[in-house]
Amino acid sequence: NAGVTQTPKFQVLKTGQSMTLQCAQDMNHEYMSWYRQDPGMGLRLIHYSVGAGITDQGEVPNGYNVSRSTTEDFPLRLLSAAPSQTSVYFCASSPRGANEQFFGPGTRLTVL
Amino acid sequence: ELKVEQNPLFLSMQEGKNYTIYCNYSTTSDRLYWYRQDPGKSLESLFVLLSNGAVKQEGRLMASLDTKARLSTLHITAAVHDLSATYFCAVDTGNQFYFGTGTSLTVIP
Repeated sequence: NAGVTQTPKFQVLKTGQSMTLQCAQDMNHEYMSWYRQDPGMGLRLIHYSVGAGITDQGEVPNGYNVSRSTTEDFPLRLLSAAPSQTSVYFCASSPRGANEQFFGPGTRLTVL
Repeated sequence: ELKVEQNPLFLSMQEGKNYTIYCNYSTTSDRLYWYRQDPGKSLESLFVLLSNGAVKQEGRLMASLDTKARLSTLHITAAVHDLSATYFCAVDTGNQFYFGTGTSLTVIP
């Protein structure tokens, strides 16, 4: 099993550009989530999904969209990037029941 | 607003010494998790604590949970250099996880 994979690993955007961060898992986990990690602030939940077709907002959802058309994939979309979205983004998944989460390797995003 | 507070934020300790990291949270929850993060890397699960009084141990690390006090501790015994990393606690409120700000641990010879 590859576990949780994320692409790209690094990305530089200009303000106003859009892009999609990809996340996939091959463990048949129902729960998937996106976090951003900023220095001194730990991880903050952006959006999460408890199954295909179901998504909900987390602590910091503004500026981000998600969809969950399959169990395996949970992409995160930035519609109009802003410098405040410069961060490291982690995707995670867990089995139903909200037990420990398994994290992907992360995407380091810089918005100029 | 739910808060998860860890202390200390930074910890420098000598090899062989013992120390405890504290995680306080502001909501009712009986599920708490500890993770480790090495510089530039992802998060690795250390412990899953799912009930009041739960205690888990792995090597030189031991975690405990007191849901009545809304407190979890991560105790380090006889620290070694390999334990240098950032440690996060996270509280599970159902479908949302809230992380502490992390404790950066450096173990010096």
